[in-house]
Amino acid sequence: SQTIHQWPATLVQPVGSPLSLECTVEGTSNPNLYWYRQAAGRGLQLLFYSVGIGQISSEVPQNLSASRPQDRQFILSSKKLLLSDSGFYLCAWSDRGSNQPQHFGDGTRLSIL
Amino acid sequence: DQQVKQNSPSLSVQEGRISILNCDYTNSMFDYFLWYKKYPAEGPTFLISISSIKDKNEDGRFTVFLNKSAKHLSLHIVPSQPGDSAVYFCAASYSGGYQKVTFGTGTKLQVIP
Repeated sequence: SQTIHQWPATLVQPVGSPLSLECTVEGTSNPNLYWYRQAAGRGLQLLFYSVGIGQISSEVPQNLSASRPQDRQFILSSKKLLLSDSGFYLCAWSDRGSNQPQHFGDGTRLSIL
Repeated sequence: DQQVKQNSPSLSVQEGRISILNCDYTNSMFDYFLWYKKYPAEGPTFLISISSIKDKNEDGRFTVFLNKSAKHLSLHIVPSQPGDSAVYFCAASYSGGYQKVTFGTGTKLQVIP
């Protein structure tokens, strides 16, 4: 069966520090991968998606970047965190093709001080 | 522009009764709809989906109804159980290369024993 791992579960970082969140998927090949952010009291906002190694698309301009160095690895990064980067970050995967549900990791709670 | 709307932020239901969660959408290109369940500090869990070629899909206690003309879908949970207490997200997507999903802001369901 497929599993998705996301870490760390919680992270407290000072403003201006770098960020690296990692997500890995097991039990599937060539998945689509996604990074979402959920701000307090709001829905899920798609940040990045990837359909293959090295292929990253950004949905919103922001202080973050994403990379996919391996088929089942997706990394969310920042060189300098802003206060507004606080939130709950979720990684997800889906099979290729139409009408495939996305499956989420347990998320990272990021607090910027 | 909120393309997927869940106008009820919360709902309370007695155990054993029916829970009905509602969702409206504005983009007529959406052709695949999903419901997710989310517990605190966890990622959303896929519950059930429906394609626009259907108007009903059932899985155990969960049934999703789709009214395309009204751009409305609903999730029925019968009978409701205390373990169903969670935030429920409605989501929608349209056929494309990578399954971009638009989420609603969620409805918090409380099932009272």
